[in-house]
Amino acid sequence: GESVGLHLPTLSVQEGDNSIINCAYSNSASDYFIWYKQESGKGPQFIIDIRSNMDKRQGQRVTVLLNKTVKHLSLQIAATQPGDSAVYFCAENKDGNQFYFGTGTSLTVIP
Amino acid sequence: NAGVTQTPKFRILKIGQSMTLQCAQDMNHNYMYWYRQDPGMGLKLIYYSVGAGITDKGEVPNGYNVSRSTTEDFPLRLELAAPSQTSVYFCASSYQGRAFFGQGTRLTVV
Repeated sequence: GESVGLHLPTLSVQEGDNSIINCAYSNSASDYFIWYKQESGKGPQFIIDIRSNMDKRQGQRVTVLLNKTVKHLSLQIAATQPGDSAVYFCAENKDGNQFYFGTGTSLTVIP
Repeated sequence: NAGVTQTPKFRILKIGQSMTLQCAQDMNHNYMYWYRQDPGMGLKLIYYSVGAGITDKGEVPNGYNVSRSTTEDFPLRLELAAPSQTSVYFCASSYQGRAFFGQGTRLTVV
């Protein structure tokens, strides 16, 4: 199967600081990447996506960076807030049918 | 707009029992998926469907069956429940590559 892994299983940041969550993927044929946020007891929610023809994409307080050379993806959250505490998953999609998820990084925001 | 709706939210099964996890979406998406999520882990794809009448196996299909008779519904069937199937099950649908998830079904097999 596919391998989408995250470098750090847990991350703690001070409220107001920026957060960076990393993800490595193994399939160079993957052409679409998505970041999801999962709060306790809920299903994953879409945050931001990026296609392989892009290096960077920005949303509201979030930025996704894609480095295809080293097959690395990162999610940057600006001015992290307590409501950002959750598990963050990256997922890759290479044929439009299946999404492959990593283990996830648990982000804790310290007030 | 309900999105993806899963029922039930919780269920306890005895070993060997069977049950169907229901999933319905009202967004007219062709693609639908079933995932399981074990504690502290990511999501593993069980089955998926690219449209009514079409289903295919994912990474961990053993012990499960699905059907897709309509665009809206994608039920997941467990025929002989085993403790290894204790997990949280998520149904999702997708459009243009973006997946929308239900709230999950927490299943315990004892």
